[in-house]
Amino acid sequence: QQQVKQSPQSLIVQKGGISIINCAYENTAFDYFPWYQQFPGKGPALLIAIRPDVSEKKEGRFTISFNKSAKQFSLHIMDSQPGDSATYFCAAQGGGNKLTFGTGTQLKVEL
Amino acid sequence: DSGVTQTPKHLITATGQRVTLRCSPRSGDLSVYWYQQSLDQGLQFLIQYYNGEERAKGNILERFSAQQFPDLHSELNLSSLELGDSALYFCASSPRAGVGNTIYFGEGSWLTVV
Repeated sequence: QQQVKQSPQSLIVQKGGISIINCAYENTAFDYFPWYQQFPGKGPALLIAIRPDVSEKKEGRFTISFNKSAKQFSLHIMDSQPGDSATYFCAAQGGGNKLTFGTGTQLKVEL
Repeated sequence: DSGVTQTPKHLITATGQRVTLRCSPRSGDLSVYWYQQSLDQGLQFLIQYYNGEERAKGNILERFSAQQFPDLHSELNLSSLELGDSALYFCASSPRAGVGNTIYFGEGSWLTVV
């Protein structure tokens, strides 16, 4: 049973464009939603995270939008750069502390 | 560099064999997690330890076991290996056990079962 659904599976964006990745969750016990970035051969690294008591969090070019009633959240990458090309995972964390990950989105930013 | 160290980085072994993956968490982190990453299953949580005690269990097979030692390093033991166990195994750590603690991942151990 997949508790965090992520889309799209892959995404190609032109340099300078906006990359948008969407996630939806089912378990209302989740109360922390991080995004991880993974480069080939590396482990996932925390990019940005949000709690459900806020609707948006911005850090540089990265923004999380959160819709608690719809149980959805998304990552927006503004002014996408070739160096942003990586796999992005949304995740959710609840009382059990473990992270439940989405299936990942392979982002490619083309020149 | 996340500060989480995993060894070995790559491992090739035959079906039916047993391997041990080792993890040193970030300095001061009490909680250790093990995840399995494969193409078809994504990132799957296996098990979590906190200060030497098992804290949470995920989709970990009975052929797999783990432990966290007094010095806080952890080992994941995989036995009776099957071809389907080929995957990237990540260790991760966090300062404490609790929601909102940043979880830091190592670079993983690539296991290939032939």
